[in-house]
Amino acid sequence: RKEVEQDPGPFNVPEGATVAFNCTYSNSASQSFFWYRQDCRKEPKLLMSVYSSGNEDGRFTAQLNRASQYISLLIRDSKLSDSATYLCAVTSGGYQKVTFGTGTKLQVIP
Amino acid sequence: NAGVMQNPRHLVRRRGQEARLRCSPMKGHSHVYWYRQLPEEGLKFMVYLQKENIIDESGMPKERFSAEFPKEGPSILRIQQVVRGDSAAYFCASSPTSDGDEQYFGPGTRLTVT
Repeated sequence: RKEVEQDPGPFNVPEGATVAFNCTYSNSASQSFFWYRQDCRKEPKLLMSVYSSGNEDGRFTAQLNRASQYISLLIRDSKLSDSATYLCAVTSGGYQKVTFGTGTKLQVIP
Repeated sequence: NAGVMQNPRHLVRRRGQEARLRCSPMKGHSHVYWYRQLPEEGLKFMVYLQKENIIDESGMPKERFSAEFPKEGPSILRIQQVVRGDSAAYFCASSPTSDGDEQYFGPGTRLTVT
């Protein structure tokens, strides 16, 4: 089993739709969780950290479920500019090494 | 506050040559990570360094690859005797501490081996 797993997609959704991604992790001792966005041929950029209580940033909501060992990202009112690959990242180990999922591709269609 | 800087952005090498990739972390960050990304694939961890120390090189191929982060100057990822399979995007990231902080990425170096 991979340390961090994501559905690769692609998720094709119309503008204005709500879309949700999940990411599962295998190490129950993981402590920090993040969502990154990566545009084609660009570097990953931090979208948001994920806290146990859940957090929201505009149209984006991130949730952590420790019992089931997954994190989620909800995007409301999708925009064309949201089209990208979304990577989840999880820390584990002695120095909290970050492991990235392979990403979920989102395509927002006009 | 300048972000993570990497150079060159694009590098073309013939098989058998050496490739040197440079990374300057964000100001105030002393932890550097190198990742490799093949087309249509995820980020693969290669090595984690602090100033003058390699902390974790579990993702580095045992041969031809080396990394350093000297007291002065950028971190360098060196690939000797490159082969076509080394063609990839190499990203560097930095963080202020190692305590599970988020990492900030540089723009990457795209290495093409001909």
